[in-house]
Amino acid sequence: NAGVTQTPKFRVLKTGQSMTLLCAQDMNHEYMYWYRQDPGMGLRLIHYSVGEGTTAKGEVPDGYNVSRLKKQNFLLGLESAAPSQTSVYFCASSRQGPLGTDTQYFGPGTRLTVL
Amino acid sequence: DAKTTQPNSMESNEEEPVHLPCNHSTISGTDYIHWYRQLPSQGPEYVIHGLTSNVNNRMASLAIAEDRKSSTLILHRATLRDAAVYYCILRDVEYGGSQGNLIFGKGTKLSVKP
Repeated sequence: NAGVTQTPKFRVLKTGQSMTLLCAQDMNHEYMYWYRQDPGMGLRLIHYSVGEGTTAKGEVPDGYNVSRLKKQNFLLGLESAAPSQTSVYFCASSRQGPLGTDTQYFGPGTRLTVL
Repeated sequence: DAKTTQPNSMESNEEEPVHLPCNHSTISGTDYIHWYRQLPSQGPEYVIHGLTSNVNNRMASLAIAEDRKSSTLILHRATLRDAAVYYCILRDVEYGGSQGNLIFGKGTKLSVKP
């Protein structure tokens, strides 16, 4: 059981370039999330998905797009990267989503720098 | 979600118990208390959660005040590997149409001295 994996681990982009971050989970979870974490801050939700083929906006969605074509994968895209998107990105998955007893499993993160 | 208040940082000595406090004076009757921790350069990991009664698992214990306005995460014997940021998060029993995401504050940074 690999849990939640993220690809790549590190990336440096120039302003205006595009890229896709891949998240994969092998726990058959319905819910998947993309968060970002800026230095000294807690995590903030970018987008999330409640099942295959569905996505929704979180707290800070501007400048990002997502897709969930397969249940186990959740992709985060940056169409035109900006320095303000320099951050560490975490993917998470969970079984029950909004229920109070639900627990989330996080990936190791992707450190993105936009020059 | 109701808010939580945690100290910014705490220090502990290795192999001694650690008590990490969390205040949540506006907690509702249906809020679960969750704790996650984030080791340096890693993603957060679940530690423990509870509703009213104290809870124990292999990682830690959670002591919940009788009025539920505060709780304490207890690490029984701190190791160097326990140095991390610890987050106390409240989650309602059922959000209905909510996003289901965790709402992170700044947490408590725990340092463990050898």
